[in-house]
Amino acid sequence: DAKTTQPPSMDCAEGRAANLPCNHSTISGNEYVYWYRQIHSQGPQYIIHGLKNNETNEMASLIITEDRKSSTLILPHATLRDTAVYYCIHRIQGGSEKLVFGKGTKLTVNP
Amino acid sequence: EPEVTQTPSHQVTQMGQEVILRCVPISNHLYFYWYRQILGQKVEFLVSFYNNEISEKSEIFDDQFSVERPDGSNFTLKIRSTKLEDSAMYFCASSERVVAYTDTQYFGPGTRLTVL
Repeated sequence: DAKTTQPPSMDCAEGRAANLPCNHSTISGNEYVYWYRQIHSQGPQYIIHGLKNNETNEMASLIITEDRKSSTLILPHATLRDTAVYYCIHRIQGGSEKLVFGKGTKLTVNP
Repeated sequence: EPEVTQTPSHQVTQMGQEVILRCVPISNHLYFYWYRQILGQKVEFLVSFYNNEISEKSEIFDDQFSVERPDGSNFTLKIRSTKLEDSAMYFCASSERVVAYTDTQYFGPGTRLTVL
């Protein structure tokens, strides 16, 4: 299975930007980078995805390096409700439909 | 905003009993999935389903498990004879799959299965 590497935990002050890094040095050319999060034991929530270009939506921004070996998820103004485990996932080339979840990064937003 | 729903939110059963977990995917989605998460562990893929067939399954998805789309709205996961180690959160997901490898899977809130 394709592998991503994320720090196990991070802290962020409420109202500040949270920058969550992910290394995916084995990513292939047609594999997208997806970010999900899981708040407590709820179902994983889709955040954003991208291939090469930086992406932004109402939840977050995704910055992908030019060599595509790493990416950063940015939550521009973190709130207490953003405390969650964040997963960086890339889709495995070859037709596999499954999302492979790692351990993710536990982000704690502090007041 | 459309969402995936799951029932029940919590199911308690005795070992050896059959359970059926139910999911209503997002209405225009065609691809359906089950994942599970044992307490404190990673979210694990179980099975994907399209056009009334299993399209992919993991090693976890053995003969004790089955999936079905009994009507136009529900998607079910059946565990025939539950074991203690089946205790977990079970998440249903669905996707539209407009373009392969870029579809987004949307997850339901989960069913907590407790096997006693």
